[in-house]
Amino acid sequence: DQQVKQNSPSLSVQEGRISILNCDYTNSMFDYFLWYKKYPAEGPTFLISISSIKDKNEDGRFTVFLNKSAKHLSLHIVPSQPGDSAVYFCAAIPGSYQLTFGKGTKLSVIP
Amino acid sequence: EAGVAQSPRYKIIEKRQSVAFWCNPISGHATLYWYQQILGQGPKLLIQFQNNGVVDDSQLPKDRFSAERLKGVDSTLKIQPAKLEDSAVYLCASSLGQGKGTEAFFGQGTRLTVV
Repeated sequence: DQQVKQNSPSLSVQEGRISILNCDYTNSMFDYFLWYKKYPAEGPTFLISISSIKDKNEDGRFTVFLNKSAKHLSLHIVPSQPGDSAVYFCAAIPGSYQLTFGKGTKLSVIP
Repeated sequence: EAGVAQSPRYKIIEKRQSVAFWCNPISGHATLYWYQQILGQGPKLLIQFQNNGVVDDSQLPKDRFSAERLKGVDSTLKIQPAKLEDSAVYLCASSLGQGKGTEAFFGQGTRLTVV
């Protein structure tokens, strides 16, 4: 039973345009959300997070939006760069710290 | 700051053999995690330590998997005997604490192939 769902296995975007990666969750107890980025043959690296008391968090080119009523969050990358090509994992935490990951979305930024 | 170190990077074993993975977390990080990532899936938590105590091992197949964290620093994960479905990347991660806002830092992982 996937509690964190990333329904798009892959996404291709032109360099300079916006990349939007989506994530849905089913567990109402999740109250903290994170995005991790993973390059091949490397471990995931933390990118950005958001608490459930907020609906937006921004860090440079990366913005995460949270819609609690829809149990949906999205990661926006503007402008997209070729170095952003990687697999992006959405993850969530309930009250206790057990990070639950989605299956990931492979982003390809085309020069 | 040194990152999370894992060894070996790759391991190929036959089914029913045993295997062990080693992890050295970031210095000062009290929380250590072992994740299993099967191809095409997101990482799945196997076990979580707080110092040298187990916080969560609800998804660890205890009939064949074991893990320990002696002295609250390094950790080993063992599989005995291995099955074909254990083929995966095993990721170790560490964080300063358990609270929200203390993100986990991951090692490069050990890719296990069981043949």
